[in-house]
Amino acid sequence: DVKVTQSSRYLVKRTGEKVFLECVQDMDHENMFWYRQDPGLGLRLIYFSYDVKMKEKGDIPEGYSVSREKKERFSLILESASTNQTSMYLCASSFGRSGLRYEQYFGPGTRLTVT
Amino acid sequence: AQSVTQLGSHVSVSEGALVLLRCNYSSSVPPYLFWYVQYPNQGLQLLLKYTTGATLVKGINGFEAEFKKSETSFHLTKPSAHMSDAAEYFCAVSERSNYQLIWGAGTKLIIKP
Repeated sequence: DVKVTQSSRYLVKRTGEKVFLECVQDMDHENMFWYRQDPGLGLRLIYFSYDVKMKEKGDIPEGYSVSREKKERFSLILESASTNQTSMYLCASSFGRSGLRYEQYFGPGTRLTVT
Repeated sequence: AQSVTQLGSHVSVSEGALVLLRCNYSSSVPPYLFWYVQYPNQGLQLLLKYTTGATLVKGINGFEAEFKKSETSFHLTKPSAHMSDAAEYFCAVSERSNYQLIWGAGTKLIIKP
């Protein structure tokens, strides 16, 4: 079974703090994704990575950065957390091979509250 | 740009009744299509997918969906709802030129006893 794990299920941080969200997958997937999920807005892509040290901006990258130093690990960084970044953060991964790359596997999510 | 529309942010059905969740997409080129389910406080789980071939696709937990190119639709159905089906359901469509999925806003399915 594909396993995508996220470092925390629930996280509470203060405004201005630097926040690290970690994601690890064990299926040797090439692609990894960070989304945020807010009620009524579905999933919005923050960043994705299709290879180690490679990253691409998604639809809402402002206020976030990412790091992918190893194939299995993709980190999301909130440089200076703000209250409007309170959300559910979902990590996903997928194969890079044509025909398989679209099927994404998700972690359990991190519910981040910024106060 | 590709877009996905899920009709109804909330759908309520009685236990044992037919479930119908609607999904329409905007592309003129048949994409890959997906339905995911999210149970409370969990990540998303793949329910079923259409890539090529048979347009009626069967998934887990008794769900199925039919790809209708002429209607640009991929509606999700289940003949008889069960209490355990209460969850949020997301339709997603691929952009064939890249790795990304375009997501609908989600539909919360409520099952009445």
